[in-house]
Amino acid sequence: DAGVTQSPTHLIKTRGQQVTLRCSPKSGHDTVSWYQQALGQGPQFIFQYYEEEERQRGNFPDRFSGHQFPNYSSELNVNALLLGDSALYLCASSLLRAHSGNTIYFGEGSWLTVV
Amino acid sequence: AQTVTQSQPEMSVQEAETVTLSCTYDTSENNYYLFWYKQPPSRQMILVIRQEAYKQQNATENRFSVNFQKAAKSFSLKISDSQLGDTAMYFCASEYGNKLVFGAGTILRVKS
Repeated sequence: DAGVTQSPTHLIKTRGQQVTLRCSPKSGHDTVSWYQQALGQGPQFIFQYYEEEERQRGNFPDRFSGHQFPNYSSELNVNALLLGDSALYLCASSLLRAHSGNTIYFGEGSWLTVV
Repeated sequence: AQTVTQSQPEMSVQEAETVTLSCTYDTSENNYYLFWYKQPPSRQMILVIRQEAYKQQNATENRFSVNFQKAAKSFSLKISDSQLGDTAMYFCASEYGNKLVFGAGTILRVKS
């Protein structure tokens, strides 16, 4: 049973560029969330997708956008990259059976460095 | 809004001994969940243990157990018989509506 998979694992971008990160949820899961983890800090919630719609969003600017596909996989897009966007981006998946308490699984993350 | 505070940036413990990591949280919700996640150097976030707020009984998973004090909004993690493989960053998190709010983390080093 494949867990949450993310790609790419590492990438380097230049300020002002755009980046797309990809995530395939754990088999059977229908909900995908994205988190940003800066070095030495805890992950911060970016947004969550369910049924191809953004279900909730954290305190991140509109430069951060996403998409969920019919097969439940998801993309995170960041436009106009800033140096401060350098971080580990974690994808998390769950099966939305209840409003809360669903077990959430994480991928290994995508390391983004902005230079 | 939910907040989670981990006041111990770093902890160390001798192999085979017991260590407790502290966590406090704040939430206005009644039905919420609390988690401890482990993040080793590989950066994979691994679920260690979860606690349902409406359950008074403390959760236990093998060598890992929690001390959940709902009135005090405290949720500490006890690791018994510490092993070298327990060396990692540990994050306390609260969950409501499928959204996790994490603390800043505690680095745990297990020494041989």
